[in-house]
Amino acid sequence: QSALTQPASVSGSPGQSITISCTGTSSDVGGYNYVSWYQQHPDKAPKLMIYEVSNRPSGVPDRFSGSKSGNTASLTISGLQAEDEADYYCSSYSYTTSGTLVVFGGGTKLTVL
Amino acid sequence: EVQLVQSGAEVKKAGESLKISCKGSGYSFTTYWIGWVRQMPGKGLEWMGIIYPGDSDTRYSPSFQGQVTISADKSISTAYLQWSSLKASDTAMYYCARSYGGNPFDYWGQGTLVTVSS
Repeated sequence: QSALTQPASVSGSPGQSITISCTGTSSDVGGYNYVSWYQQHPDKAPKLMIYEVSNRPSGVPDRFSGSKSGNTASLTISGLQAEDEADYYCSSYSYTTSGTLVVFGGGTKLTVL
Repeated sequence: EVQLVQSGAEVKKAGESLKISCKGSGYSFTTYWIGWVRQMPGKGLEWMGIIYPGDSDTRYSPSFQGQVTISADKSISTAYLQWSSLKASDTAMYYCARSYGGNPFDYWGQGTLVTVSS
């Protein structure tokens, strides 16, 4: 059960758009429409930003959007704002010999320049 | 209001046992899964396992199977994560989180910092 692959860091200027990728396999990202994205500010608990690939929980700005193609999911943040600077993690169901579990990505640090 | 309130920070020695807790309120505790997530200092999130308090169905990540025990007491709406013999490498922040079907986690506890000295 390997972690999903995310870029270690991305950056963008206020107002720009950025995309964070999350690459897995057909046993996880590619096999389920249950990709989620979490935002974590320093010393805070993670916060759910996207679930089931592209759905936003109530209260999450529509600047945040998600998509998936094959074994790669993506989180796009448009109109970057200073408060978007945080770590972002993807997660997915993962089919393993131990049953269906959940796996996280390694995390991506977003810097707003 | 949905809340998950975790027990306070712990400082332990290697070899000691520990049980930390996560109390849910504001929702039906028995109809949502509670998961545990580890975050080692400066590192990413790791899914440890999950329990369904309604029937105590429990699943573990292979990485944590046999290393920790997840349990729940539905009479007091509380889930637990326990170790029988801590190691220095167990030093981390541990989060509990709620899920309707196992994924995603929509509400998170504030985290419990566990520090283990050798």
